[in-house]
Amino acid sequence: DTAVSQTPKYLVTQMGNDKSIKCEQNLGHDTMYWYKQDSKKFLKIMFSYNNKELIINETVPNRFSPKSPDKAHLNLHINSLELGDSAVYFCASSQENRAHSPLHFGNGTRLTVT
Amino acid sequence: AQKVTQAQTEISVVEKEDVTLDCVYETRDTTYYLFWYKQPPSGELVFLIRRNSFDEQNEISGRYSWNFQKSTSSFNFTITASQVVDSAVYFCALGGYTGTASKLTFGTGTRLQVTL
Repeated sequence: DTAVSQTPKYLVTQMGNDKSIKCEQNLGHDTMYWYKQDSKKFLKIMFSYNNKELIINETVPNRFSPKSPDKAHLNLHINSLELGDSAVYFCASSQENRAHSPLHFGNGTRLTVT
Repeated sequence: AQKVTQAQTEISVVEKEDVTLDCVYETRDTTYYLFWYKQPPSGELVFLIRRNSFDEQNEISGRYSWNFQKSTSSFNFTITASQVVDSAVYFCALGGYTGTASKLTFGTGTRLQVTL
């Protein structure tokens, strides 16, 4: 039933570890995104994929590697986690790669790096 | 470059009061889209409304209304007769493009606290 689902909801890990967050949408949308929300609630785009093709990579460290096996899935793998990576990561989708398409967000994954 | 400013960091009101959340945007695009999202304490982000740059008609949906003024680059959001359930962080966002890729630029959010 859930439109955009991401797992896990919470992720607590130590510095230096590698972790992944999975995202799936069942809306039939063409475009998917990863946004990062920091402790001050600021939302910033990280990546955007349109029909499995990367179209936005917003100066994110290359420790972050998104992967889109098909247009319904967009996963995020993070290598060598750092304290500053602690944040809430939101997956989102939109019907098409157009500025008027509203984003539908998942419930977020709260990542805590200790 | 696109920018969205929400100057009000936090607003506290008593239930039944009206409250207006301000949003000012900057863009060089002639066609653009403005959005409001709500983030309640549970953390999810909920889409509220989208506005096209070429349509300045104000919109009302129940207790919510939006005032889009191109002349002042503002897209303000008013909640009439606020309720405790309106307590949330509200984000204004601007839809545009980076090259050919659509992109939503968010403001920093306004935290609304409604108390009894």
